[in-house]
Amino acid sequence: AQRVTQPEKLLSVFKGAPVELKCNYSYSGSPELFWYVQYSRQRLQLLLRHISRESIKGFTADLNKGETSFHLKKPFAQEEDSAMYYCALQTGANNLFFGTGTRLTVIP
Amino acid sequence: DVKVTQSSRYLVKRTGEKVFLECVQDMDHENMFWYRQDPGLGLRLIYFSYDVKMKEKGDIPEGYSVSREKKERFSLILESASTNQTSMYLCATLANRASNTGELFFGEGSRLTVL
Repeated sequence: AQRVTQPEKLLSVFKGAPVELKCNYSYSGSPELFWYVQYSRQRLQLLLRHISRESIKGFTADLNKGETSFHLKKPFAQEEDSAMYYCALQTGANNLFFGTGTRLTVIP
Repeated sequence: DVKVTQSSRYLVKRTGEKVFLECVQDMDHENMFWYRQDPGLGLRLIYFSYDVKMKEKGDIPEGYSVSREKKERFSLILESASTNQTSMYLCATLANRASNTGELFFGEGSRLTVL
């Protein structure tokens, strides 16, 4: 069965420090993975997707099929990065499974 | 720009009341979803619809029903609200597979409190 695990509910880092939000998945097929973000008082929105291999707001995420991971990384955290982050796995045309989320707090 | 509008941002209802949550989208997306968002539990799929009058159960459909009479509108119904249905409810849309990039577009959410 498909599953997305985000082991950290809360993560605090100092401004300027590197940040890594962990995501592991379980899926027998070919995964498509995403990171969604929800800033305070804003709607949930897509941050990045693995197939695009893009860097958004300084964040990157690499799909590691051997470790079944899709960790989100940023070398220098900013205060505006404080938000709720969800990892998501798309398994079919219309099925997305979300992890339980990690609340990131960047301390000034 | 995709717009997904949820009719009520905040609702307070009593146990046993019938509750309607409505979601309207203006992007002609085929797929619509209802999730509930709870701290520590993430987003859990209640129901989704891939076409008018079509619906599929998600992971936690018990206590809920849905209606999709028009493409742009997807309603979530709580026939008899209970306190454990106090939550944030999120509506989302997704373009059809041929054209979608996997990006869900979310509404602002409806926070329901059941007393």
